[in-house]
Amino acid sequence: GAGVSQTPSNKVTEKGKYVELRCDPISGHTALYWYRQSLGQGPEFLIYFQGTGAADDSGLPNDRFFAVRPEGSVSTLKIQRTERGDSAVYLCASSRVGGGHNEQFFGPGTRLTVL
Amino acid sequence: DQQVKQNSPSLSVQEGRISILNCDYTNSMFDYFLWYKKYPAEGPTFLISISSIKDKNEDGRFTVFLNKSAKHLSLHIVPSQPGDSAVYFCAATPAQKLVFGQGTRLTINP
Repeated sequence: GAGVSQTPSNKVTEKGKYVELRCDPISGHTALYWYRQSLGQGPEFLIYFQGTGAADDSGLPNDRFFAVRPEGSVSTLKIQRTERGDSAVYLCASSRVGGGHNEQFFGPGTRLTVL
Repeated sequence: DQQVKQNSPSLSVQEGRISILNCDYTNSMFDYFLWYKKYPAEGPTFLISISSIKDKNEDGRFTVFLNKSAKHLSLHIVPSQPGDSAVYFCAATPAQKLVFGQGTRLTINP
């Protein structure tokens, strides 16, 4: 079956612009996660959805970052007033049910470059 | 603060030999540990996991060992194969989210 997909695969934007990154989880997976991976680092947790609601958004770095999952499937990560420090690979993962003990399946990521 | 640490950024092993990747953690609340493998331009893929109530879990060529008193886990791959060349991340979780280490790049030489 289809895995987690993310679009776009690459996004180049200018400092101060707004960007949206999309994640399509595996069909039927109720839990969805966003992570950010900076160069030379491991993925860093941003936010976790159980269904439509954000169950844990403690990893969002500031209020420029926001994510939604209105119908409990596709999710969009939104970044306002982008800064050069936002440049990273943004990874999305889904799991059948929530909880870290359940295998999280990752998408290929969106590489965001802020000039 | 880095709660999960992989102190070796890279490791080179000859094909057929054992690869040992190490990971240390600081948070006593972590109760489940995982290893992920990542190829370039792909997302991480799950490899093997271990619960804190166990000290060893084996799956084919892959074995994970957990030493709770030392807050240390390791991944053993034997025998190592060229397709094992990738970046390996250890991760830990107390509940929902995963906390990852920085990764170790494993290169298997023919």
